[in-house]
Amino acid sequence: QKEVEQNSGPLSVPEGAIASLNCTYSDRGSQSFFWYRQYSGKSPELIMFIYSNGDKEDGRFTAQLNKASQYVSLLIRASQPSDAATYRCAVTATTDSWGKLQFGAGTQVVVTP
Amino acid sequence: SAVISQKPSRDICQRGTSLTIQCQVDSQVTMMFWYRQQPGQSLTLIATANQGSEATYESGFVIDKFPISRPNLTFSTLTVSNMSPEDSSIYLCSALGSSNQPQHFGDGTRLSIL
Repeated sequence: QKEVEQNSGPLSVPEGAIASLNCTYSDRGSQSFFWYRQYSGKSPELIMFIYSNGDKEDGRFTAQLNKASQYVSLLIRASQPSDAATYRCAVTATTDSWGKLQFGAGTQVVVTP
Repeated sequence: SAVISQKPSRDICQRGTSLTIQCQVDSQVTMMFWYRQQPGQSLTLIATANQGSEATYESGFVIDKFPISRPNLTFSTLTVSNMSPEDSSIYLCSALGSSNQPQHFGDGTRLSIL
């Protein structure tokens, strides 16, 4: 059973601080890794994707991938109230399941004043 | 990225009835997928909509319950058949242009069964 694991939270982050979200996956064949943000009552919105080991930065967001340890993380710098949402990690194994996304349970982020 | 439109955005249905959800993409895409998100849960893949052939279903989902069509490279439908309250979920369509592109989702269809 291929699994994608996330801490469900909630993760409470003071406004202006860094939020750190982690995700582990069991399938070593996983090739592509995504972070989606989902506000309550809305559909998931892609915020980051990463394919290679290392860091990828986009604005206040940084995705980190370590395939040897099978984890991917998301850092949100200078957290804002608008960052309060559920963040879902998703992976796809292109070898036998091209394009199919397997999602983690999601981590709820709460930004405190 | 492709713009994905779903119709209807929400519906309330009686048990035992069926509803067809439409997904329209503003450009030709290679792959289209249908996901379900049950209340308070994450997303689960229902099936891959294959253009010109039968959809490929994931474990736990069957064609009789969730028939899918994909007549061309920009359009797909998902039917939820013989609905029961357990089918109350958000149904989401996604599209993928190529293996190196990330997947985006439509706004979803919020379905409630009475």
